[in-house]
Amino acid sequence: RKEVEQDPGPFNVPEGATVAFNCTYSNSASQSFFWYRQDCRKEPKLLMSVYSSGNEDGRFTAQLNRASQYISLLIRDSKLSDSATYLCVVNNYGGSQGNLIFGKGTKLSVKP
Amino acid sequence: DAGVTQSPTHLIKTRGQQVTLRCSPKSGHDTVSWYQQALGQGPQFIFQYYEEEERQRGNFPDRFSGHQFPNYSSELNVNALLLGDSALYLCASSLGLAGANYNEQFFGPGTRLTVL
Repeated sequence: RKEVEQDPGPFNVPEGATVAFNCTYSNSASQSFFWYRQDCRKEPKLLMSVYSSGNEDGRFTAQLNRASQYISLLIRDSKLSDSATYLCVVNNYGGSQGNLIFGKGTKLSVKP
Repeated sequence: DAGVTQSPTHLIKTRGQQVTLRCSPKSGHDTVSWYQQALGQGPQFIFQYYEEEERQRGNFPDRFSGHQFPNYSSELNVNALLLGDSALYLCASSLGLAGANYNEQFFGPGTRLTVL
């Protein structure tokens, strides 16, 4: 089982749609969780950290369920500029794989 | 405030050659991590440098080595290049050991390495 698994995608949605991405992780000792966004041929950029209580930033809501080892990202009112690959990232600080473990990413394409 | 910078942006090498990639961290950051991103994959952790020492390492062979200098900049060296080493190599910097306590990592634009 991969350490971090994401929906394979791609997700093709119209502007204004709500889209949800899911992610599971295998190491119950994982300590911190993130969603990164990566535009085509660009570097990843932090979108949100994900806390146990859940957190929201404008149109973006992230949830964490430690018991199920599950992370989600909800994007409301999708914009064309949201088109990108979304990477689920788990910190296994001190673990054998070290540092941040990235999922393969889910590609989102928002159409007019 | 300069962000993370990497050089070169692109590089073409042949099998068996050696390559050195360079990274300057974001101003005020003292920790540098290196990642390899193959096409269609997420970045994979190579190693992390803090206080001029390798602190953590991912599942990469000894052909991958690194260094951190007193000014916190870093180099990634890859020896005996293989075709499979073709990838985007990303450097990320943070203040303190990345990942601990939700420390954010900032990524550079990457070096795209092609091995022929």
